[in-house]
Amino acid sequence: KNEVEQSPQNLTAQEGEFITINCSYSVGISALHWLQQHPGGGIVSLFMLSSGKKKHGRLIATINIQEKHSSLHITASHPRDSAVYICAVGGIESNFGNEKLTFGTGTRLTIIP
Amino acid sequence: EPEVTQTPSHQVTQMGQEVILRCVPISNHLYFYWYRQILGQKVEFLVSFYNNEISEKSEIFDDQFSVERPDGSNFTLKIRSTKLEDSAMYFCASNPSGLVYNEQFFGPGTRLTVL
Repeated sequence: KNEVEQSPQNLTAQEGEFITINCSYSVGISALHWLQQHPGGGIVSLFMLSSGKKKHGRLIATINIQEKHSSLHITASHPRDSAVYICAVGGIESNFGNEKLTFGTGTRLTIIP
Repeated sequence: EPEVTQTPSHQVTQMGQEVILRCVPISNHLYFYWYRQILGQKVEFLVSFYNNEISEKSEIFDDQFSVERPDGSNFTLKIRSTKLEDSAMYFCASNPSGLVYNEQFFGPGTRLTVL
């Protein structure tokens, strides 16, 4: 069973700050997803990573497969970035091709104007 | 842009009653999932569905739960006799091919409240 840990659990920052959210997992995977959950509860997929780095606008996600670790960065943070950010992993090493996701507990981000 | 839809957005029911949560996945997707999130807790996998049968289910998905795709478009989750601990947000998701390399598209969720 894959354990997915995120840190920090809560993060409050001033508008414009550079944000880093971390995710570690215990078992080798095929892919890692970063998701965003807004206060209403809806979940939006931000990134899917299997190696290296991806960038969408002000969001950057990196993954180190050997260290079983990923980070999500937000540059020039804005109050509209306030949400819960969730790391989810799939394709556990012992059963590659397994399509279900195992979720972390989420990081609640609050950006103050 | 295609999206996953779910109905109802909020369902309130009495303990012991049956509920059916409905989802319409994206039309050309092949794998469908139900996840749930108890308030304040992490999202948990319930079941995956492919080719009109369950592909995998978690230990949460006991005999009280069932899924079906009755008409080729809707994907439903039925809870036969609801318990207080079934109160949660239920998310449907779909994936084009089932591979974890593909993005999973989530619906907006159904908030189930069992009284």
